[in-house]
Amino acid sequence: KNEVEQSPQNLTAQEGEFITINCSYSVGISALHWLQQHPGGGIVSLFMLSSGKKKHGRLIATINIQEKHSSLHITASHPRDSAVYICAVRSNFGNEKLTFGTGTRLTIIP
Amino acid sequence: NAGVTQTPKFRVLKTGQSMTLLCAQDMNHEYMYWYRQDPGMGLRLIHYSVGEGTTAKGEVPDGYNVSRLKKQNFLLGLESAAPSQTSVYFCASSEDRVYGYTFGSGTRLTVV
Repeated sequence: KNEVEQSPQNLTAQEGEFITINCSYSVGISALHWLQQHPGGGIVSLFMLSSGKKKHGRLIATINIQEKHSSLHITASHPRDSAVYICAVRSNFGNEKLTFGTGTRLTIIP
Repeated sequence: NAGVTQTPKFRVLKTGQSMTLLCAQDMNHEYMYWYRQDPGMGLRLIHYSVGEGTTAKGEVPDGYNVSRLKKQNFLLGLESAAPSQTSVYFCASSEDRVYGYTFGSGTRLTVV
């Protein structure tokens, strides 16, 4: 079983829909990251969470430490949101290793 | 533009050839990382550095070497390339890991 599991693997939605991408992990963590990888390949850091909820524009990230689960929400989705969204966790053992999920490929249809 | 710059962006090597990938950051970040990304797998850490003159092994270090002679540069070397090293390589940097990571745009390497 992978330490970081994302669901769904692929998601296609119509423009304007509310999007939820889930991330579950199996280890104790000090932080969880959400990243965005566009078709061109570049990776952008969206959020870093250790508790609660963060919001940036139309993006909202939440984390439940007890349930070892995080969600990334996109409100009023737009075709430019089409990308691969990656969850990564840093364990609380103090090393440098981030463990990455395999990503959720999101396609927003106009 | 400020950020992390990787060179080259694309490269094709023959088995047994050597090459060096360069990562440069202009944000004065202490921490730098090299990852590889393969289809169906999450990014995996190859080597990392917690400051100038330091390097350490990550999850998949075999076949790679690194150097951090200057704080702004982190070099990844392949001494004798193998087809298993065909991958997309990403460099990342971080000020102190609390504020997240900045990634380069990636290097697509094919070993034939």
